[in-house]
Amino acid sequence: GQNIDQPTEMTATEGAIVQINCTYQTSGFNGLFWYQQHAGEAPTFLSYNVLDGLEEKGRFSSFLSRSKGYSYLLLKELQMKDSASYLCAVVNYGQNFVFGPGTRLSVLP
Amino acid sequence: DSGVTQTPKHLITATGQRVTLRCSPRSGDLSVYWYQQSLDQGLQFLIQYYNGEERAKGNILERFSAQQFPDLHSELNLSSLELGDSALYFCASSVGGTGNSPLHFGNGTRLTVT
Repeated sequence: GQNIDQPTEMTATEGAIVQINCTYQTSGFNGLFWYQQHAGEAPTFLSYNVLDGLEEKGRFSSFLSRSKGYSYLLLKELQMKDSASYLCAVVNYGQNFVFGPGTRLSVLP
Repeated sequence: DSGVTQTPKHLITATGQRVTLRCSPRSGDLSVYWYQQSLDQGLQFLIQYYNGEERAKGNILERFSAQQFPDLHSELNLSSLELGDSALYFCASSVGGTGNSPLHFGNGTRLTVT
């Protein structure tokens, strides 16, 4: 089966750092993507991990541990515009993108 | 702007009706994916096409069908509509069909069934 877990909601303060976790159990693993989705809008690509370790991209970083079935997205220097849902998606052996339920992040002033 | 175009943006129709949603992928992308997102729900994979051929199927209802045309645009047909079909329908495209390139999403079609 396919199971991806993320916290439902998180709250953080402007300027702070927040870590959004994603755990997965899927039929195979061929990579993990993180997307940002503002309410009612299209998801936009943030990062991609296929090997273990940390990928850094400006204020956003993503980490992967394949042996633990675990990833996190780290957002630094939070801004109000970062208030959005963050979706973790795993590519399984069938090359299908399986999306998690998403984490709704609220950034407070 | 992702480069993926979806039309129409909004559709309001009655139960039992049939609608067609259209998607034009980014220039150069061969793969098209369709997703359904209901209120406060995650993205549910419906179907994928690669260069005109069906590549993978998700939890797509028998009342739903799709195709990808020679010019690579795709259409999703929804028939015998029910209230529960009300959702945001996203199309996404990628360069290949192997899952190592990101999906680029269109702005979606919001379907309301009354």
